[in-house]
Amino acid sequence: QKEVEQDPGPLSVPEGAIVSLNCTYSNSAFQYFMWYRQYSRKGPELLMYTYSSGNKEDGRFTAQVDKSSKYISLFIRDSQPSDSATYLCAMSLYTGANSKLTFGKGITLSVRP
Amino acid sequence: GAVVSQHPSWVICKSGTSVKIECRSLDFQATTMFWYRQFPKQSLMLMATSNEGSKATYEQGVEKDKFLINHASLTLSTLTVTSAHPEDSSFYICSASQGAPSGNTIYFGEGSWLTVV
Repeated sequence: QKEVEQDPGPLSVPEGAIVSLNCTYSNSAFQYFMWYRQYSRKGPELLMYTYSSGNKEDGRFTAQVDKSSKYISLFIRDSQPSDSATYLCAMSLYTGANSKLTFGKGITLSVRP
Repeated sequence: GAVVSQHPSWVICKSGTSVKIECRSLDFQATTMFWYRQFPKQSLMLMATSNEGSKATYEQGVEKDKFLINHASLTLSTLTVTSAHPEDSSFYICSASQGAPSGNTIYFGEGSWLTVV
């Protein structure tokens, strides 16, 4: 079993839809959870960062962490064509400049106008 | 926000030659940088952790003699792919952490596409 599993996709939704992206993980020691957005042929861009369980909202994006279930989610409200990209979940054991990230495989989202 | 810059963005080299990729943190100091490679439609795979002033730490299965990492200053790390082969063709990405007290803010470079012909 991989440390981080992410729904493989791809996912295609109409503009304005609510999108739910999910990852599960096996290492209960992970404490820091991140979502990155990666456009084609570009480096990943940090979208959301959360620590431990709970919700965090930033504009149209909501990140949710359920440590008891080892499950994290990213919700995108009122999805836009510009949201079309690959979304990667990532997590780490601890914070600090030298902490390693473990990534999910990524899911490609396409928002149709 | 913090910016991490990579150069070159694209490089094509002949098989058997060496290629150097630079990673710079533009507005913050990074004692640690990370190097990843990403194959098409695959996730990022950590290759090594680059430590300023000391040897890099390589992940299992990554050849340290093939992928030379040098972290000569607090703002620059370089990855040199030596004796490149076509199977080394990939997207190489670096990252650096600003290490904010409130959390782990890691920024990625734009990536470097390497094609070995």
